[in-house]
Amino acid sequence: GEDVEQSLFLSVREGDSSVINCTYTDSSSTYLYWYKQEPGAGLQLLTYIFSNMDMKQDQRLTVLLNKKDKHLSLRIADTQTGDSAIYFCAEREGSGAGSYQLTFGKGTKLSVIP
Amino acid sequence: DARVTQTPRHKVTEMGQEVTMRCQPILGHNTVFWYRQTMMQGLELLAYFRNRAPLDDSGMPKDRFSAEMPDATLATLKIQPSEPRDSAVYFCASGIAGVGEQYFGPGTRLTVT
Repeated sequence: GEDVEQSLFLSVREGDSSVINCTYTDSSSTYLYWYKQEPGAGLQLLTYIFSNMDMKQDQRLTVLLNKKDKHLSLRIADTQTGDSAIYFCAEREGSGAGSYQLTFGKGTKLSVIP
Repeated sequence: DARVTQTPRHKVTEMGQEVTMRCQPILGHNTVFWYRQTMMQGLELLAYFRNRAPLDDSGMPKDRFSAEMPDATLATLKIQPSEPRDSAVYFCASGIAGVGEQYFGPGTRLTVT
């Protein structure tokens, strides 16, 4: 079945860039997503990328997609202490309007050192 | 500011008791998802609905769990009888079919003793 893999932990210094990586297995994935979860809260959609794109930028966030290697990354520029959270990568299974399920990775806990 | 709401936020109950969790999806959203999050398993999809009809509940233990949408503004997840292994955070999410993004509620933290 579909699988999404992420490293579990990442630690960076405040002001540096963070890069969170994700690999997925479903070659028919149409959309890939990044969610952020702060302690005690639900998952918050940060950004998503359509599979025919290589890159998407949104303020401090840059998403890179290598479809050949099934590799997705999220770069956070100028990382702040408020960025400390768990980041989930997710893929939308299959294609078309009939597919709604997302498969989530186990999340990467980002710790920002002041 | 449209949000998914969930009640209760916390629930502590004894093994064997019935638990009902409620979710109000964002107005206009026609897909609703129930997830369970634990440290060991991560985020697991339990069930999802489109236009109030259940599309997939294969992730749910059928003997004790049930999910319904009595109307477009309410989704429920029931556990009867509850067991300690059901202790987890249960999230509801809603979205629009075809678009794909899911918007999560704050979750219900369930503890079964």
